[in-house]
Order: sequence, then structure tokens, then C-alpha cells
Amino acid sequence: DAGVIQSPRHEVTEMGQEVTLRCKPISGHNSLFWYRQTMMRGLELLIYFNNNVPIDDSGMPEDRFSAKMPNASFSTLKIQPSEPRDSAVYFCASTVNRGITDTQYFGPGTRLTVL
Amino acid sequence: AQKVTQAQTEISVVEKEDVTLDCVYETRDTTYYLFWYKQPPSGELVFLIRRNSFDEQNEISGRYSWNFQKSTSSFNFTITASQVVDSAVYFCALSENDNFNKFYFGSGTKLNVKP
Repeated sequence: DAGVIQSPRHEVTEMGQEVTLRCKPISGHNSLFWYRQTMMRGLELLIYFNNNVPIDDSGMPEDRFSAKMPNASFSTLKIQPSEPRDSAVYFCASTVNRGITDTQYFGPGTRLTVL
Repeated sequence: AQKVTQAQTEISVVEKEDVTLDCVYETRDTTYYLFWYKQPPSGELVFLIRRNSFDEQNEISGRYSWNFQKSTSSFNFTITASQVVDSAVYFCALSENDNFNKFYFGSGTKLNVKP
């Protein structure tokens, strides 16, 4: 079975450019999560969706970050404009939301470097 | 306050040694779930185990075992006869029933297994 798919795996961009990260959750999963991992802050939840609807975006750092989930099989995380401090590994995870805690399965991550 | 504490930042062992990774959690919920994830050098986050707060039985899976003790709020992970392939960062995580979509991750323990 295909796991969570993320693209690109690596992204190098210059400060001020727009960056779009993509995620395809596991088929049948109805909750999707975006995380950011840095050495300083560890794993941080940025936003999560349930049935394509954003539920909690309190972790989104600032207005430069936005996320969408136009359908059950695709989500994007956009940073515009990007800054060097956005350099991190961004993970997407998905799970089946049955009203209780279930395992979140993570994608391979996108390593973003903003110069 | 940290909800999940992994006090061991880094551990080094020699192959075939047993090693225990500590995880201490904090919650007021009576229903909660605990997880361990492995992050090998390749960067992906791999799910290892999920336990709920009502099941205190220890679990064994091959060389891996987990010791859940509610009395000390701990969920420790032991690798028996460690191997070089066990070298990774290991994360413990907590999810509380009243907000089951939010995972609280510890800061991780980096395990180095030397040949």
C-alpha cells in the first residue's frame, strides 16, 4: 500500500520566493496534518484538516503560511514570501478520524532550504 | 510544562548491548494514547507502537519491548541486542482523548549503535 506521499523531497529557494509543498494522504484517511521539524523547536503541528476542512491552524507561524486541501487526496502548504528562518523539514501525516486517537502515518518529509 | 519528556538527548551503545529509552508524560486525562516513532538517518518518521491508557501490559515485538507504568507516568522503550540499523532518533508522543488529533512529541533521543 502506498504511504503518505510528499513532493518535492528537497527544495532550495531564495528568500522572498514562493514555496509550495504537496501532500497526498493515504487513501481512505480523512485527517491530514502538516508538521514542521527544526533542531530548535522539534516537531511542531502547523495545521490539520478533517474531511478537507481546516480544524486547527493555531500552529501556523504567520500569515506567510497558508494551507489548503481541495479534495481528500491532496493538500498544499504554501509559504509566501519565504524567509531563511522557514528552513526546516516539513512533514505531512494522515490518519483515519474515528473520533478517537489513531496512529498518524507520516510522509518522507520535504527538506526546505531558504537562502 | 512539557507534556512529554525524553531526558536522554543522545545515547551511544555498542552493538549487541541492550538499551532503554525513557519517556515520561504528563496528562490529567484518564484516557490517552502513547506512541513511539523512529526517525532513521534517512529522515522519515516510522510508527512503532500505539498504546492506550487502559492497557498497561508490556508489549514485546522482536527485539523491541515497551514498559508502560501509569504509576510513574512512563512509557519506556527497550531494544535488546541492539544493531547498527537501530541507530536513529526515537520520539515518544502523547495524545489526549479530549483533543485526540493533537500529538505532543518529546524532543527525541538520538541512539547511536556502534559496531
